[in-house]
Amino acid sequence: DSGVTQTPKHLITATGQRVTLRCSPRSGDLSVYWYQQSLDQGLQFLIQYYNGEERAKGNILERFSAQQFPDLHSELNLSSLELGDSALYFCASSVVGGSSTDTQYFGPGTRLTVL
Amino acid sequence: QQPVQSPQAVILREGEDAVINCSSSKALYSVHWYRQKHGEAPVFLMILLKGGEQKGHDKISASFNEKKQQSSLYLTASQLSYSGTYFCGGYSGAGSYQLTFGKGTKLSVIP
Repeated sequence: DSGVTQTPKHLITATGQRVTLRCSPRSGDLSVYWYQQSLDQGLQFLIQYYNGEERAKGNILERFSAQQFPDLHSELNLSSLELGDSALYFCASSVVGGSSTDTQYFGPGTRLTVL
Repeated sequence: QQPVQSPQAVILREGEDAVINCSSSKALYSVHWYRQKHGEAPVFLMILLKGGEQKGHDKISASFNEKKQQSSLYLTASQLSYSGTYFCGGYSGAGSYQLTFGKGTKLSVIP
């Protein structure tokens, strides 16, 4: 158990809908990262937050947005969902973020299925 | 650019050794190795910093050749529990806040 929690574990929805994925980092970690992993694909970095502020953006679609709240939990919002958005979404956290020695610990993931 | 991992997949019998390579076209400050079992979260194995260090974790060790920008993960006397997909991730320098992962190497250990 990494100490990172994600809810829900599974999510099934229809095209065009909007969903929210939630992540709570490990105690003491200030940075949260979101990744997308499609079937047999690697980990695609979406976005990083540090202490409430957006720090880095990867290949995140405009239909997707995220935020980190004062209690450091984070939410990833996916809207106008398409079939291709079906994937595993992982959240990871680290103490600082942006340091080459900073280790990221991954949550169990949310499996999103868009029908 | 994401690091390139090789091989893409490998099948081993219990007790055999394997090497997984990770190469980057960009200078890396550190290399991070993770193992992911099917349907589960990636689990951190080890981190290597530039400077050519080598680390070990049980019978899994790794090295980082800064000159070649290549890291290798060594699995010796493989066990069934080693099965999974191994990812390397690299931090490419100051101001780069993201860990860029390779596409992964699928390792299958059979009895």
